[in-house]
Amino acid sequence: QVQLQESGPGLVKPSETLSLTCTVSGGSINSYSWSWIRQAPGKGLEWIGYIYYTGSTNYNPSLNSRVTISVETSKNQLSLNLNSVTAADTAVYYCARLTRGPWRYDYWGQGTLVTVSS
Amino acid sequence: QPVLTQPPSASGTPGQRVSISCSGSSSNIGSYTVNWYQRLPETAPKLLVYDDYQRPSGVPDRFSGSKSGTSASLAISGLQSEDEADYYCAVWDDGLNGPVFGGGTKLTVL
Repeated sequence: QVQLQESGPGLVKPSETLSLTCTVSGGSINSYSWSWIRQAPGKGLEWIGYIYYTGSTNYNPSLNSRVTISVETSKNQLSLNLNSVTAADTAVYYCARLTRGPWRYDYWGQGTLVTVSS
Repeated sequence: QPVLTQPPSASGTPGQRVSISCSGSSSNIGSYTVNWYQRLPETAPKLLVYDDYQRPSGVPDRFSGSKSGTSASLAISGLQSEDEADYYCAVWDDGLNGPVFGGGTKLTVL
């Protein structure tokens, strides 16, 4: 059974960089795309971006200039960096596996709350 | 404002059938398949329906998805207390080359 686990600081200061890691176990990171998705308090789900295991990426244009997603296949991990954060970036951040044909997010991490505050 | 429109809330009594709608446009629901996710309190979203109506293994057949034109629906029959959760529709968006989600519907089992 594939499992995803997010990790990283729960508190980030405004203007700094939010950095999270997602560790995949029970399966290989190869041959799939992997996404970061977030949910701000009281809001719906927002797609941040995805990365194919080869390293090709696509980001939500609303965050494009601030976000970087990378993958380290040797560690079965993907990472999220979001720079110049503000209080609006306070959210629960999820990593999820994107399966194609037809598309769906079939495995999700439990999510990690990141609060942006000084 | 979410690209996909869902009612903010829905409710039903145990045993009832409830339906949750998701309205989009020709560039998303009208062109691509719809997924539905269930988010129980304090847990990660779970895939309920994909490809408009397909259920992953382990999802009870009480949950069913359908689509017509630029709208989709999730129906839950034989409502149970454990179905109380937030439900989200999602669809691939051409312009984004990524998924868009509805704003979510909070289902209350009375």
